[in-house]
Formats: sequence, structure tokens, C-alpha cells
Amino acid sequence: AQSVTQLDSQVPVFEEAPVELRCNYSSSVSVYLFWYVQYPNQGLQLLLKYLSGSTLVESINGFEAEFNKSQTSFHLRKPSVHISDTAEYFCAVTDYTSYGKLTFGQGTILTVHP
Amino acid sequence: GAGVSQSPSNKVTEKGKDVELRCDPISGHTALYWYRQRLGQGLEFLIYFQGNSAPDKSGLPSDRFSAERTGESVSTLTIQRTQQEDSAVYLCASSQQTGRGGYTFGSGTRLTVV
Repeated sequence: AQSVTQLDSQVPVFEEAPVELRCNYSSSVSVYLFWYVQYPNQGLQLLLKYLSGSTLVESINGFEAEFNKSQTSFHLRKPSVHISDTAEYFCAVTDYTSYGKLTFGQGTILTVHP
Repeated sequence: GAGVSQSPSNKVTEKGKDVELRCDPISGHTALYWYRQRLGQGLEFLIYFQGNSAPDKSGLPSDRFSAERTGESVSTLTIQRTQQEDSAVYLCASSQQTGRGGYTFGSGTRLTVV
């Protein structure tokens, strides 16, 4: 069975500050990892994903995440956040045995203050 | 269509009544998933359809929950004799490939049982 732990339920930061949203997972097989973002009153959107290859993956809006197999982590980072990044972020994991069923973390609410 | 469409967007029902939620996936997406998001919690997997194969119902919380999908078209999630703990946002997602590409989520149906 898989599990995902997002270590922070809420992360408040000031605009232009760096941020890291932490995600740890457990699985007995090789995994695929995802970060989803949910803006207020909107549906979930895929932010970035790790399937294989380079352990550092990037999104188009400046977020990046690094797959660390030894630490079973997939933390999400951004060097300088904007007000518009305020949203809830979900880390998720699946593997080749799960037929695409995602196991989600509890979510981290990122609030960017001016 | 251009995205995953869910209806209704909001549903308020009395305890004990049956409800039916609809999901219209992206055309050509063979995989379809239903998830539930209760307030302050992460997403829980409910059921998965892949083409004409038997669905994976392992996430359905009780026999009051059922879902249908004909081929690669619309899916309906039915909750019989609704209870207050069924109140949640019900999310549908579809994808072309299972496990690797991430999904496209609909905006969800917010169900409130009073």
C-alpha cells in the first residue's frame, strides 16, 4: 500500500519570499509522483509530475520539485512566490501496479501575503 | 469536450434521499476515476473505469455507493439513502493512459446532505 504525508497543513509566506512545501511518500515499488494545485473555487490542476529520468522537474510557472528516492520525498519549491500562488497544493503518488489510482496527501494551504 | 464536465456543480439533498452525480470525460480518454474530498481532508479514491474492463470498486465506502460507465462515455455516481457524512466534493478525472500522465479533473460536485 502507498501513503503520502504532507508535513505542513498551512504555509503562510510573504510575497517574493521562497517557499518549500514538503511531501514524503511510502511505497514498496517504483513510483510516479505528482503535485496538483487547487485555486479557490476551482478544480484540481496538474502542476508537475515525475515519471522517470531527471529527478528535478519544473512547472511553467516557476515551481520545481525534486524526487529524492533515498529520502522518499518530493518537495515542491519556488524561489519567489506571488500573491496569485495562493492555493491548496496536493502531493500524490501512484505506481505501475495501481492502474493510475492516485493516493493523495492531505493538502497544504499556501497563503501569500503582500 | 475541452475538459471534464461534472453536473450538477452543487447539490443539496435531504438525508435519506438518493442522488446521482454525472461526469462527462474528455473525448478519447479511456480511464475515468471518481474521488471524494471531504472538508479539510485529502482526496479519497472511490472507483476506476478503464474501457470495457470490470471497474475497480475498491474505494467505495459502502454498498450505498455505486457507479456506472458505458464504454468510454459518461459516468454516473449514485449514492442511495444519503447520510450527513456523505457531504463532500465529488471529483471526476479522466486520462488517456493509466498511471503515468496524470489526469484532468472536473470542477466537482459539492454535495451537502441536510
